[in-house]
Amino acid sequence: AQKITQTQPGMFVQEKEAVTLDCTYDTSDPSYGLFWYKQPSSGEMIFLIYQGSYDQQNATEGRYSLNFQKARKSANLVISASQLGDSAMYFCAMREGRGQNFVFGPGTRLSVLP
Amino acid sequence: KAGVTQTPRYLIKTRGQQVTLSCSPISGHRSVSWYQQTPGQGLQFLFEYFSETQRNKGNFPGRFSGRQFSNSRSEMNVSTLELGDSALYLCASSLGPAGVGETQYFGPGTRLLVL
Repeated sequence: AQKITQTQPGMFVQEKEAVTLDCTYDTSDPSYGLFWYKQPSSGEMIFLIYQGSYDQQNATEGRYSLNFQKARKSANLVISASQLGDSAMYFCAMREGRGQNFVFGPGTRLSVLP
Repeated sequence: KAGVTQTPRYLIKTRGQQVTLSCSPISGHRSVSWYQQTPGQGLQFLFEYFSETQRNKGNFPGRFSGRQFSNSRSEMNVSTLELGDSALYLCASSLGPAGVGETQYFGPGTRLLVL
């Protein structure tokens, strides 16, 4: 069973607008971490933001915030004030608490329009 | 602080050959993981090393192997290359072994093309 689901293969957003990228996950482990990465066309995966399952508040890092809804098992990435340089693939990933490896979702391709 | 480096960046091989990819983690990081990324399968975990020991292994055939040296640098080897091995191979490093909050930092990847 797929552990990470990203239902939006591609999305468009106008420059300077906010955009939400969806991520749902599946785990029975109470301890887990959720991560978002950005992959530009160059290929390198860039770490954006992290949310732990026990964190009480949603994580924020500059223009990135994570809308964490534990009961719904969703961890959506919100990018505020989109920039042209935000155009890239975005991956949601999870690591469970049993020393397991990272599991990545299929990704969402975001295109920012001028 | 320098990031994760991977060499070579691009590689072309023919079927049946073998290849070795190298990864140098961020200074102070002792855990290295390898991933294969293809358009069809997405990002798939290959293996993870910590302190020269393989801690986790993904679902790949035995043709894929790796190792880690005492300076935390890591190599992965693919023997008897197949066309389907064409992919972007990403290396990631982290401070410690697989922990829930252990962020992985990725290198630029090695693009392997098998002809």
